[in-house]
Amino acid sequence: NAGVTQTPKFRILKIGQSMTLQCTQDMNHNYMYWYRQDPGMGLKLIYYSVGAGITDKGEVPNGYNVSRSTTEDFPLRLELAAPSQTSVYFCASSYSKDVLTADTQYFGPGTRLTVL
Amino acid sequence: AQSVAQPEDQVNVAEGNPLTVKCTYSVSGNPYLFWYVQYPNRGLQFLLKYITGDNLVKGSYGFEAEFNKSQTSFHLKKPSALVSDSALYFCAVRDKSSASKIIFGSGTRLSIRP
Repeated sequence: NAGVTQTPKFRILKIGQSMTLQCTQDMNHNYMYWYRQDPGMGLKLIYYSVGAGITDKGEVPNGYNVSRSTTEDFPLRLELAAPSQTSVYFCASSYSKDVLTADTQYFGPGTRLTVL
Repeated sequence: AQSVAQPEDQVNVAEGNPLTVKCTYSVSGNPYLFWYVQYPNRGLQFLLKYITGDNLVKGSYGFEAEFNKSQTSFHLKKPSALVSDSALYFCAVRDKSSASKIIFGSGTRLSIRP
C-alpha cells in the first residue's frame, strides 16, 4: 500500500512550457485534491474531484486543468507555465460517504516546481 | 467567509515542557477542524480532527486539541515536548456544506530545543 504517490519530485520549467504533474492513490479513495504551497504560506486548493469523471474548481484554479478518468489517477496540467506558478504542489485523497462527512486527507510527498 | 488563523509564525519550547500551538477559526455553522503536521520535504500528515462530541480530542504522537466554541479556537497541545516534534503545524477547517471548502492556516513552525 503506497498511499498517495506523486511524480516528478522536482521540475524546472521555462516560461510558456507545459507539463503534467502525476498523482496516483491506491486506497480506493473517492475524493482527490490538488493544492499548492507557497513559501511561508498555507495550502491553497487548486482543483478537487469527488469521483471519476467529476472535477471542480478550488480557490486558485487559473492556469491549471485536471482530469479524473479513473479512481486512482488525478493529473494536474499546467498549459503555459508562468513564474507565479513556482510552488510546491501536493496531491491528497480522502474517502467520504457524502459531502457532509468529515474526511481525513492523505497527502503525497509533493512536487517542487520552479518556472524561470 | 470561512477562515482559519494561526497567530504565531513560530513557537519555541524546551524539551520536556508543555507546548501549545494556537488556532482560531471562522465558519458559518458547526465546523470540522483538523491539525496536520509537515516534516521537512514531506507531505502533510494527519494528527487529529474534531467533528462533534468531547471537546478534547486526542491524536497521534501524544498530541491533543481542545475545541472551544465560545472562543472559536482549536489549540493543539502536548504535555511534554520532544525534539522530534519540531515541524510545521497546520490547522484546517472545513465547512460542513462542501468538501471543497477546506481552508488551511498559514502554519506555525514549532521548534523544540534540547
